[in-house]
Amino acid sequence: DAKTTQPTSMDCAEGRAANLPCNHSTISGNEYVYWYRQIHSQGPQYIIHGLKNNETNEMASLIITEDRKSSTLILPHATLRDTAVYYCIVKDRRALTFGSGTRLQVQP
Amino acid sequence: GAVVSQHPSWVICKSGTSVKIECRSLDFQATTMFWYRQFPKQSLMLMATSNEGSKATYEQGVEKDKFLINHASLTLSTLTVTSAHPEDSSFYICSAPTSGRAGDTQYFGPGTRLTVL
Repeated sequence: DAKTTQPTSMDCAEGRAANLPCNHSTISGNEYVYWYRQIHSQGPQYIIHGLKNNETNEMASLIITEDRKSSTLILPHATLRDTAVYYCIVKDRRALTFGSGTRLQVQP
Repeated sequence: GAVVSQHPSWVICKSGTSVKIECRSLDFQATTMFWYRQFPKQSLMLMATSNEGSKATYEQGVEKDKFLINHASLTLSTLTVTSAHPEDSSFYICSAPTSGRAGDTQYFGPGTRLTVL
């Protein structure tokens, strides 16, 4: 599976949009981009995934660049409950491989 | 989304004893499940892939005789930590993909915190 690069940490003001970037320059054509988050001492929570088109669900939006070498997860109105570690993962069929993720701190 | 449960949510045991952790997919069938381990302040590390009807496959460095995996049915996988020692204390998390095909969604259980005294 391709490797991803994410910033170690980010801050966001409550009520504002949180934009979390991810680089995956070695992604191959059949690999999907997945986003999960982990709140302290809980199992990872699925957020969204996509192949090449932008995706939106009730939690977030996923913007994938045309060359698929990077993506951005957007939480449109961050709340304090969105404080977590966010993982960007690319994979095709096997298990998810977790990197270090981005620690998002939503500030009141 | 789909639900994956784990039992127990936490367990404390004495060194040398064995501990069994269950992982269930509650509203879908899973021919494959994955077991991860997470030490404090670290990311999740894949331990093994549990396969219904066949042997589990283990990641490099994971002792298969110490971490016994049984995929008993299409909704249940168990991880048994045998002869547990304090260094096995960790957060164990299972996951299950909804289909196993490319682009499917993988859901995680809430995790089991194991403390070995």
